[in-house]
Amino acid sequence: QKEVEQNSGPLSVPEGAIASLNCTYSDRVSQSFFWYRQYSGKSPELIMSIYSNGDKEDGRFTAQLNKASQYVSLLIRDSQPSDSATYLCAVRNYGGSQGNLIFGKGTKLSVKP
Amino acid sequence: GAVVSQHPSWVICKSGTSVKIECRSLDFQATTMFWYRQFPKQSLMLMATSNEGSKATYEQGVEKDKFLINHASLTLSTLTVTSAHPEDSSFYICSATTGDREETGELFFGEGSRLTVL
Repeated sequence: QKEVEQNSGPLSVPEGAIASLNCTYSDRVSQSFFWYRQYSGKSPELIMSIYSNGDKEDGRFTAQLNKASQYVSLLIRDSQPSDSATYLCAVRNYGGSQGNLIFGKGTKLSVKP
Repeated sequence: GAVVSQHPSWVICKSGTSVKIECRSLDFQATTMFWYRQFPKQSLMLMATSNEGSKATYEQGVEKDKFLINHASLTLSTLTVTSAHPEDSSFYICSATTGDREETGELFFGEGSRLTVL
């Protein structure tokens, strides 16, 4: 059973701080990794995608991937109250239906003003 | 990013009735669409993969006779929950990808449809 694990949180950080979200995955052959943000009652929206080891930065967001450790993380700099949401880590499933993703349960982030 | 639209956003129905949810790709042709389901405080779980012009592929544990999927065109897939029961109450989300995006696995999600079965 392929799994994606996340700490459910809630993770609470003050406004302006760095929020660090972590994710581990079980399928060693996975190549594509994604972070989605999901507001309550809404569908997920893509924040970042990462395919190679190392860091990938996009604005206030930095995704980090370490395939050897089967670990992917998301850093949010200068956190804002509007960043408060559940962040879903997703890994593309190569063994299942073409192109589908395996999602973690999500980490709930709360940014306090 | 590409736009995927779902309808209806909310639906309440009586137990035993059928409900149809539509998923449309508005600005691109979606050769493949995926239907996910999300129960409260749970993650998204893939129900089925829908390919235009062919039968859907269902994930293990998903009843194909209960969750009917039709992908008759490159811009429309429908999910029909037949003989719905309260345990089918959930948030149903479709997503779509074009063939050239499959390598990246970048999915575009619809707004979701919240089904409540009384």
